[in-house]
Amino acid sequence: EPEVTQTPSHQVTQMGQEVILRCVPISNHLYFYWYRQILGQKVEFLVSFYNNEISEKSEIFDDQFSVERPDGSNFTLKIRSTKLEDSAMYFCARANQGATIYGYTFGSGTRLTVV
Amino acid sequence: GNSVTQMEGPVTLSEEAFLTINCTYTATGYPSLFWYVQYPGEGLQLLLKATKADDKGSNKGFEATYRKETTSFHLEKGSVQVSDSAVYFCALNDQAGTALIFGKGTTLSVSS
Repeated sequence: EPEVTQTPSHQVTQMGQEVILRCVPISNHLYFYWYRQILGQKVEFLVSFYNNEISEKSEIFDDQFSVERPDGSNFTLKIRSTKLEDSAMYFCARANQGATIYGYTFGSGTRLTVV
Repeated sequence: GNSVTQMEGPVTLSEEAFLTINCTYTATGYPSLFWYVQYPGEGLQLLLKATKADDKGSNKGFEATYRKETTSFHLEKGSVQVSDSAVYFCALNDQAGTALIFGKGTTLSVSS
């Protein structure tokens, strides 16, 4: 299957600035996800998106975060006012209904550095 | 709630050694189980999976068997290579469309 493409691969931003992370997961998949991995720590679930709306979110996904699928193919994660602790690798993933059998396809990630 | 526990790393082995990375899980129902691998500087790649008890997932010489009685999904490889050096994540998913639950990851370092 085609890969999931994430842009940018690395972004450095000032604390308090807004960032938008982008993912092109291919439009005919049903489920989309954002995960993050703080350096040296576990991969943490942020949010899942199904049928153009949030279906599940973790406690990490507070009001500073939002997701959109603006044009049917791109899938974005916005952080409105970045904090130092938002520095992490952010992974986009997609899945079909058979995800429990076939797994999820992850992008190569965007490394966000907040300074 | 659902959770995954992996053995602490790092695991350091010589080439051609036998590898075991332990993984146990807690879940309601009958989850699907996965091993993902993250090579240096790259994203997460699905290594293998098992969807029901006693299933054995295998790929690239790695194997893991879904053991419901011990709630385990240990990863094994008979002879590791330097190119296997990576971080390995055990994960579960108990319902289509819901989030994957990951373990903390185990770093494997193989030297020649």
